Amino acid sequence: EAGVTQSPTHLIKTRGQQATLRCSPISGHTSVYWYQQALGLGLQFLLWYDEGEERNRGNFPPRFSGRQFPNYSSELNVNALELEDSALYLCASSLLFSSSGNTIYFGEGSWLTVV
Amino acid sequence: GESVGLHLPTLSVQEGDNSIINCAYSNSASDYFIWYKQESGKGPQFIIDIRSNMDKRQGQRVTVLLNKTVKHLSLQIAATQPGDSAVYFCAETAYNFNKFYFGSGTKLNVKP
Repeated sequence: EAGVTQSPTHLIKTRGQQATLRCSPISGHTSVYWYQQALGLGLQFLLWYDEGEERNRGNFPPRFSGRQFPNYSSELNVNALELEDSALYLCASSLLFSSSGNTIYFGEGSWLTVV
Repeated sequence: GESVGLHLPTLSVQEGDNSIINCAYSNSASDYFIWYKQESGKGPQFIIDIRSNMDKRQGQRVTVLLNKTVKHLSLQIAATQPGDSAVYFCAETAYNFNKFYFGSGTKLNVKP
């Protein structure tokens, strides 16, 4: 069974541009989470989607947005890129979150570099 | 606060020794905990989980201990190997949290 897949693996953008990152969850998983991980630091929660709706959002500016498609895949958009947006962006998926105890599984991440 | 903290940011152990990585959590309502291992340049990998109705759970070479009284979680790795070198994160959540809270991570260095 395929795990969480993310694309692209690496992305280089110029400050001010927009970046789009994509994620396909594990088959059967309806919840998708996005996390930002700056180099050498911990995981910062960005967004949680379930059944096509945004369920929760972390402390990030509105230029970080995303959506979940009917097939439960998701994309993360970052507008007006800033140098400090350079990080590893991790996607994770799980069964419906409402049941406590649903483990989330991560993809390998997308490295975004803003120059 | 909402963050999960770790006692030791870096831990160095000798190959073959046992490792203990600690985590303090702040939300007494948390009822589900997970340990993840993250190797350099890769995504976090699920290691083991535990629910709040348990105080110990064992996997292959790993044991997670949960002390709800002092809100402490630990990961024990038996006979640590070089391949265990990574950053280890603990995570907590609960039914009404709507998200997982991750600690800042502990880097485990295994010396040959």
